[in-house]
Amino acid sequence: EAQVTQNPRYLITVTGKKLTVTCSQNMNHEYMSWYRQDPGLGLRQIYYSMNVEVTDKGDVPEGYKVSRKEKRNFPLILESPSPNQTSLYFCASSTHGQATNEKLLFGSGTQLSVL
Amino acid sequence: AQKITQTQPGMFVQEKEAVTLDCTYDTSDQSYGLFWYKQPSSGEMIFLIYQGSYDEQNATEGRYSLNFQKARKSANLVISASQLGDSAMYFCAMRGRGATNKLIFGTGTLLAVQP
Repeated sequence: EAQVTQNPRYLITVTGKKLTVTCSQNMNHEYMSWYRQDPGLGLRQIYYSMNVEVTDKGDVPEGYKVSRKEKRNFPLILESPSPNQTSLYFCASSTHGQATNEKLLFGSGTQLSVL
Repeated sequence: AQKITQTQPGMFVQEKEAVTLDCTYDTSDQSYGLFWYKQPSSGEMIFLIYQGSYDEQNATEGRYSLNFQKARKSANLVISASQLGDSAMYFCAMRGRGATNKLIFGTGTLLAVQP
């Protein structure tokens, strides 16, 4: 089954404690992206990757890091989480990321709470 | 800059009735794609329907149809014969060409279907 797998589903942490949210896709997609969802703001892009070793900032990259060492994996790293990073996070992928008709396939989301 | 506007934060509809969720967009691109996603209370993002800017026919997928009015820059989602399982958050999104490389989302509309 084609899917994007995110882990963990829920995460509670404390300010300053480094964490990683993993994301993996099994469709050989070139394009992967991270979004955060906040009430009243919709989904905003954090980072995206067009292919292995190619990453770029989205609209809200501050406080986040990503890496794309393998095509299937695109982890999101919070080096020093802060309470304003409490949010619902989604990983998503699509074939190439260049066509206007490419729909994104989303993971099931990670609800992060930073205390 | 590209923008998606959803002006209805929440809506009620009676079961078996039709409902229209509004979406307007702003872009200078000639080629773009419009998407609708559903987010039930479980949190996942489910793709519903796609409309290309050059498509002459309105897109339909089962009970979902997209009322595309290019000159007015609107892409409203119509759900016919509402069911209780349609209760969810609905997001309109747009993807342009070139350097955009991302799906831009509106703030969403929360639909509640009443028995």
